[in-house]
Amino acid sequence: GEDVEQSLFLSVREGDSSVINCTYTDSSSTYLYWYKQEPGAGLQLLTYIFSNMDMKQDQRLTVLLNKKDKHLSLRIADTQTGDSAIYFCAEDNYGQNFVFGPGTRLSVLP
Amino acid sequence: DSGVTQTPKHLITATGQRVTLRCSPRSGDLSVYWYQQSLDQGLQFLIQYYNGEERAKGNILERFSAQQFPDLHSELNLSSLELGDSALYFCASRSGLGGELFFGEGSRLTVL
Repeated sequence: GEDVEQSLFLSVREGDSSVINCTYTDSSSTYLYWYKQEPGAGLQLLTYIFSNMDMKQDQRLTVLLNKKDKHLSLRIADTQTGDSAIYFCAEDNYGQNFVFGPGTRLSVLP
Repeated sequence: DSGVTQTPKHLITATGQRVTLRCSPRSGDLSVYWYQQSLDQGLQFLIQYYNGEERAKGNILERFSAQQFPDLHSELNLSSLELGDSALYFCASRSGLGGELFFGEGSRLTVL
């Protein structure tokens, strides 16, 4: 079955790097996504990676995909207080269900 | 603004009642998804529609039902409400069966 797991909490100091990890189970997933949810708001897409890629970089964000271990990570460089939010990993098996992890609550300390 | 509109934004009702949540997807999007977000259970997939037809069903209770209309808007009906149904209900849409999901801002349901 489909299952996405994430650690629930992460605290970092402002200016440090944050690394949020995710494991998934469906090896047929075509795309893997990172969404961000700020307090009182809906989810917004941060970035995504296609399953045949190992890495994707987008400004302060770096996504690493280890398909063999079904492990996905999101690195946020120079983390700021505005990055405090819940981050969701999601897998998308094209045309099937879009499954989200439980979310990692990132707290950025000044 | 994602282009996905959900109404109402907030709803307070009593146990045993029935409510309807409405979602207008982005213009042209054929796929609509419903999710429930509770404090202790993360984001739970309820149901997906594609061009008016039910495509996938998740952990949706029998007391809940949904449909997608010819104009592509969708409604989620929650009946015989219980305290545990209090949650944020999100609608999301995308153009087809792949690609980014766009989320509405959610409908917060409080059952007293």
